[in-house]
Amino acid sequence: DSGVTQTPKHLITATGQRVTLRCSPRSGDLSVYWYQQSLDQGLQFLIQYYNGEERAKGNILERFSAQQFPDLHSELNLSSLELGDSALYFCASSVDSGTGANTGELFFGEGSRLTVL
Amino acid sequence: QQPVQSPQAVILREGEDAVINCSSSKALYSVHWYRQKHGEAPVFLMILLKGGEQKGHEKISASFNEKKQQSSLYLTASQLSYSGTYFCGTQSGGSNYKLTFGKGTLLTVNP
Repeated sequence: DSGVTQTPKHLITATGQRVTLRCSPRSGDLSVYWYQQSLDQGLQFLIQYYNGEERAKGNILERFSAQQFPDLHSELNLSSLELGDSALYFCASSVDSGTGANTGELFFGEGSRLTVL
Repeated sequence: QQPVQSPQAVILREGEDAVINCSSSKALYSVHWYRQKHGEAPVFLMILLKGGEQKGHEKISASFNEKKQQSSLYLTASQLSYSGTYFCGTQSGGSNYKLTFGKGTLLTVNP
């Protein structure tokens, strides 16, 4: 158990719909990362938050958005879903330095598997 | 930019050695290695920082050539439990905090 909690574990929805994935980081970790994993692309970096502020952005689609709340949990919102959005979405947390540059271990949650039909 | 890993897949017999390579087109601040077993979350193995500091696994070693922007993961005397997909992640540092992973190397260790 990494200490990172993701909900829901599985989600099946239809094209055009909107879903919210939730992540609770390990106690004390200020950074939250979101990754998308599909079969042929490995782990695609989406976005990173550090203590409530967006710190880095990857190839995140405009239909996707995220935020980190004052209690440090994070949500990833996916809207106007398409078939290609079906993937495993991982959240990870870490204790980062003040600069946000990661110098330690990322702890991954078990992931949220999204299926878009 | 996504680092490039090689090989894409490797099959070993228990006790054999393997090397997994990771290269980047950008100057690197750090290289991270993770292993993911089927149906599970990635698990941290090692981090190598610019300047030579390493933190990680007891039985797995790695190197980081800063000038060539390359890293290699060395798996010696492989065990069945080493099977999984290995990912390298790179961070360019400075104002770039992205931790970007390669597509992974599937390692299968057979008895």
